[in-house]
Amino acid sequence: EVQLLESGGGLVRPGGSLRLSCAASGFTFSTYAMSWVRQAPGKGLEWVSAVSGSGARTYYADSVQGRFTGSRDNSKNTLFLQLNSLRADDTAVYYCARDPGAAAAGTRFDYWGQGTLVTVSS
Amino acid sequence: DIQMTQSPSSLSASVGDRVTITCRASQSISSYLNWYQQTPGKAPKLLIYAASSLQSGVPSRFSGSGSGTDFTLTISSLQPEDFATYYCQQSYNTPRFTFGPGTKVDIK
Repeated sequence: EVQLLESGGGLVRPGGSLRLSCAASGFTFSTYAMSWVRQAPGKGLEWVSAVSGSGARTYYADSVQGRFTGSRDNSKNTLFLQLNSLRADDTAVYYCARDPGAAAAGTRFDYWGQGTLVTVSS
Repeated sequence: DIQMTQSPSSLSASVGDRVTITCRASQSISSYLNWYQQTPGKAPKLLIYAASSLQSGVPSRFSGSGSGTDFTLTISSLQPEDFATYYCQQSYNTPRFTFGPGTKVDIK
């Protein structure tokens, strides 16, 4: 059974940092691209970052470019998102999602974690 | 970036109703359109990919159609567990995925 379990969320002050983790199980982690998608309270879904299966390629939304860094440790089946220079508008539930299509055209997110809440407030 | 719109933004329906939700892209995205369902407090769930392919395990009352810029999600006979918010997502301009704003389906 495919499982994705996020952790690392919490309350942080503006300008602070957090590191989110997504522990994967039930599939060959290294053969799948992974993405982070966030959802601000009461709002819609926003794609944040993608990491290729090898970890060699990373992609970011304009809203987080230069502040967030995606990475992965395939030996530990874990995806990471380093959040720096956090702002109030980064407050959201952050989901990790599996991408069976290697971030190529026509792909989709077929499994999602339960999410971890990041709150940026003074 | 490709912009996605959905209509209506919300609708009220009864169990057994046929429900149709529309998604429009700001430019042609071929058939690279996915649909997700989200219930309160839960993660999104993939329903339809590539505009019309039913994800494994999803009931056959869900169907998708369209290509180019205009797409629809249809629920043939609404069930109690279908009251949720539905999002479309383009996967044409990857990996810069964009989602529609969502359509909330609630009980009439």
